Amino acid sequence: NAGVTQTPKFRVLKTGQSMTLLCAQDMNHEYMYWYRQDPGMGLRLIHYSVGEGTTAKGEVPDGYNVSRLKKQNFLLGLESAAPSQTSVYFCASSSNSYSNQPQHFGDGTRLSIL
Amino acid sequence: GNSVTQMEGPVTLSEEAFLTINCTYTATGYPSLFWYVQYPGEGLQLLLKATKADDKGSNKGFEATYRKETTSFHLEKGSVQVSDSAVYFCALSGKGCAGGTSYGKLTFGQGTILTVHP
Repeated sequence: NAGVTQTPKFRVLKTGQSMTLLCAQDMNHEYMYWYRQDPGMGLRLIHYSVGEGTTAKGEVPDGYNVSRLKKQNFLLGLESAAPSQTSVYFCASSSNSYSNQPQHFGDGTRLSIL
Repeated sequence: GNSVTQMEGPVTLSEEAFLTINCTYTATGYPSLFWYVQYPGEGLQLLLKATKADDKGSNKGFEATYRKETTSFHLEKGSVQVSDSAVYFCALSGKGCAGGTSYGKLTFGQGTILTVHP
């Protein structure tokens, strides 16, 4: 009963390096989301996807890119990491766009940029 | 735009004490309201939800009532346990621009850290 799986769980990068965070869900959900969690600021939406092959910007998209080539996977990329991107990243999915549907979250990726 | 404001934390209580975590919101129309809980080292889990005015969401002894007149969704529990120690997030999912879909996007409060001592 995996639900939403994020890899890796931890990563340390140097400024300017690139990396990709992977999110996989096995619930056949259409909608997927990437958030970042920073102390005292709750979770903020980076990008989201309403279906395979689609992506859209959220509240804080700058410095990130995403892709949804397969329905079950949603990738978050950092092309040139900056210290301001040090954060905990959460992926979530939901079955539809109705506002009453809860989102299902992964356990997060803790990313440090030195 | 939409926004959620939670009471400042952290909150420290003794076991069996009464818990209230305040949450107020700003949104157009009739959003759905949620409380999520995050245990140490884990992702967020849905605790409870309410989708229309005067609805009461409840789960694991926690309750929250959707109060449209005061734009509030305060979380309460009558007797907390050590195992309730976690971070609690209030969130809303509302309408998009011109009343259209918001694609299920959530707006979160800043989170409230709860620590319960034996």
